[in-house]
Amino acid sequence: DIQMTQSPSSLSASVGDRVTITCRASQSISSHLNWYQQKPGKAPKLLIYAASSLQSGVPSRFSGSGSGTDFTLTIRSLQPEDFATYYCQQSYSSPWTFGQGTKVEIK
Amino acid sequence: QVQLVQSGAEVKKPGASVKVSCKASGYTFTTYTMHWVRQAPGQRLEWMGWINAGNGNTKYSQKFQGRVTIIRDSSASTAYMELSSLRSEDTAVYYCARETHYGSGSYLAYWGQGTLVTVSS
Repeated sequence: DIQMTQSPSSLSASVGDRVTITCRASQSISSHLNWYQQKPGKAPKLLIYAASSLQSGVPSRFSGSGSGTDFTLTIRSLQPEDFATYYCQQSYSSPWTFGQGTKVEIK
Repeated sequence: QVQLVQSGAEVKKPGASVKVSCKASGYTFTTYTMHWVRQAPGQRLEWMGWINAGNGNTKYSQKFQGRVTIIRDSSASTAYMELSSLRSEDTAVYYCARETHYGSGSYLAYWGQGTLVTVSS
């Protein structure tokens, strides 16, 4: 199975901050990397697919980059509604696997 | 608009089975593959398997092989996930999610609201 490792596991940030979350795959997954946002008690919400494509309806302050084994999710200017947990997920091979999550908290 | 509506919370005893339903609307059910993902309390999301709603083909995570069965009722636009031989570690929220393809890849853009399954004696 492909292991997905995110860093950091949690971070504290202020409204307006630029936030970067990293995801590393245990082997190359090309660009088959998706990012999700999850709020407590809710289902995950797709933000980015194919490493860098913004899902329809997602604010442009979210962006993704990377290929191979190293990927990044960036939130350009953190908004109050962005405080949540973020997961990366690979769809390169079965079983699909998720990172452990990065919790973004208010500083 | 695409909607996936899951059945309600369940409480089961160890060793029992649970069957969770996922009713789809807003699209042609048989055109897409449905996945099942679970999340234990405080844990990461965990992929369980999928079903091709068109031909009924399935693929399961090795972790759940032999304990999980995913089926669909095309006439009802509903997918089902049954997990047997339940143990306390199976306590989790179970989600269905519809796959969308792009080029050579896939993602899960539409999710059900989740079904809490509690396994307790």
